[in-house]
Amino acid sequence: ETGVTQSPTHLIKTRGQQVTLRCSSQSGHNTVSWYQQALGQGPQFIFQYYREEENGRGNFPPRFSGLQFPNYSSELNVNALELDDSALYLCASSLRGGVSADTQYFGPGTRLTVL
Amino acid sequence: AQRVTQPEKLLSVFKGAPVELKCNYSYSGSPELFWYVQYSRQRLQLLLRHISRESIKGFTADLNKGETSFHLKKPFAQEEDSAMYYCALSGQGGGTSYGKLTFGQGTILTVHP
Repeated sequence: ETGVTQSPTHLIKTRGQQVTLRCSSQSGHNTVSWYQQALGQGPQFIFQYYREEENGRGNFPPRFSGLQFPNYSSELNVNALELDDSALYLCASSLRGGVSADTQYFGPGTRLTVL
Repeated sequence: AQRVTQPEKLLSVFKGAPVELKCNYSYSGSPELFWYVQYSRQRLQLLLRHISRESIKGFTADLNKGETSFHLKKPFAQEEDSAMYYCALSGQGGGTSYGKLTFGQGTILTVHP
């Protein structure tokens, strides 16, 4: 069983640029969630994708967008980068099932620095 | 709005001492509560969730709906328990916050020898 992987590990961008982060979900999982973790804070929910559709969004502006592919891998895109976007971006995959919330399995994260 | 509060950023205990990491939440409805742990240089991983009522690595947590708390406890701390601990909640199936985890700010637990 392959765990959640994310690429790249680290990324440095300048203000105003665009960035794409990638996530491969754990084998057998059909749902991907993205979180932003600023230094010293807990992760904050950005959005979730289930069967290639956005399935819930946190309090993030539209310049944060995503995609999920038929193989359930996912991308997070951020346009017009701002200094405050500097953070660790976490991807978590899960298998959507019954009434109970699914256990989410996290990747190692991508550290984004915006200069 | 849903919120999770972990009042202690840092908690230090000696090996063999009891440990309690506090977590309070705010949610209108029936939430699902979780504890996640992040050991040094490892990824965030689930420690336990209230619906399974399991004891993992000697840790337990009881959901107290009256006090809206989900404190994590272990009677005898071990050095390998040193890590960052996050309390999190999610809505149950059918609700708008289903599958969306809201995390607290985390508590760094250090267990001294």
